[in-house]
Amino acid sequence: NAGVTQTPKFQVLKTGQSMTLQCAQDMNHEYMSWYRQDPGMGLRLIHYSVGAGITDQGEVPNGYNVSRSTTEDFPLRLLSAAPSQTSVYFCASTVAAGGPDKTQYFGPGTRLLVL
Amino acid sequence: AQSVTQLGSHVSVSEGALVLLRCNYSSSVPPYLFWYVQYPNQGLQLLLKYTSAATLVKGINGFEAEFKKSETSFHLTKPSAHMSDAAEYFCAVSDRGSGGSNYKLTFGKGTLLTVNP
Repeated sequence: NAGVTQTPKFQVLKTGQSMTLQCAQDMNHEYMSWYRQDPGMGLRLIHYSVGAGITDQGEVPNGYNVSRSTTEDFPLRLLSAAPSQTSVYFCASTVAAGGPDKTQYFGPGTRLLVL
Repeated sequence: AQSVTQLGSHVSVSEGALVLLRCNYSSSVPPYLFWYVQYPNQGLQLLLKYTSAATLVKGINGFEAEFKKSETSFHLTKPSAHMSDAAEYFCAVSDRGSGGSNYKLTFGKGTLLTVNP
């Protein structure tokens, strides 16, 4: 198992550009989510999905778009990048089988710099 | 909404000393609780979790945490620090229940642990 993979590892954008951060998992997990990590802020939830075709907003969704067409993939789109979106982005997944095990498995992260 | 407070953004200990990282949550119903560790330039790795079985939870690398409902706390400890423990540690909570929104994690702001030789 590769676990949770993210691409690219690092990206530089200019203000106003758009891009897609890729996330994939090979563990057949129903639940997937995106977080951003900023210094002194911990991790904050952007969007999440409980299965293919189902997405919902987290704590900081503005400026980001998601879709979930397959169980494996959960891309995060920045529609028009702003310097405030400079951050490290983490994708995570877990089995959402209704039991108490809610352990989330994190990808290695994508470091984004918006100039 | 859930919130998590980690007291101390930076904790410094000597090698071999006790490690104590503090975490308090705000919820009238005890949530599920997690400690994650992040080494430099890496993703987050689960250290341990509390899901309402034993209140003293043992994790990887010699860490353990005790759930105290009366204090709404879930502090992380390790009896003897090692240089390899230097990392950032995050406490996180999720609601109980099986609905999709109950899988959301709310994180504390993190505590950076430095281990001095």
